[in-house]
Amino acid sequence: DAGITQSPRHKVTETGTPVTLRCHQTENHRYMYWYRQDPGHGLRLIHYSYGVKDTDKGEVSDGYSVSRSKTEDFLLTLESATSSQTSVYFCAISEFDSSSTDTQYFGPGTRLTVL
Amino acid sequence: EDQVTQSPEALRLQEGESSSLNCSYTLSGLRGLFWYRQDPGKGPEFLFTLYSAGEEKEKERLKATLTKKESFLHITAPKPEDSATYLCAAHSGYALNFGKGTSLLVTP
Repeated sequence: DAGITQSPRHKVTETGTPVTLRCHQTENHRYMYWYRQDPGHGLRLIHYSYGVKDTDKGEVSDGYSVSRSKTEDFLLTLESATSSQTSVYFCAISEFDSSSTDTQYFGPGTRLTVL
Repeated sequence: EDQVTQSPEALRLQEGESSSLNCSYTLSGLRGLFWYRQDPGKGPEFLFTLYSAGEEKEKERLKATLTKKESFLHITAPKPEDSATYLCAAHSGYALNFGKGTSLLVTP
């Protein structure tokens, strides 16, 4: 998984509770991404980061926030989880920015269930 | 709206039975077409990137090709271990746009 770990790997939580997912990389890549994967949909981008403290929204960012205080860590927070956020979440990294179309490498994923 | 469509949704092959998966895209200014393999419970694994029409890339039993409107992933003499979901994604300069994938099952 290209030096990418995600934690936790599985989580069950209740509606209305805050949840934070962590992505950690050992590749020192500049760009990091959070996607969600749901049946009937392709992978969809939630947020991405192009450097420490530099982040931007993706296609499905509502209800999510992110933070990146170190190159190696990218956190995804659900401030108040809802059942519609039940999904599998993947982190990805790439060395160059999106305009260079550098390859994105994916982590193992976190399966989140919101009851 | 940028779109990536993969077909078929599911494909069942006998071991050794060659076939192709299709990925069609409607994007202005394609900057790269990516193929990934995804096994159940795992993250997508990078296979190929194609940048221009006419380009081809190969890896073992897989060969990816690209035209101006679509890409094909050809699987020659597949083995059961090739069973997986194959994802394609098109890059238009902002983000990767993924298709829904083709689930491939290869039976002995």
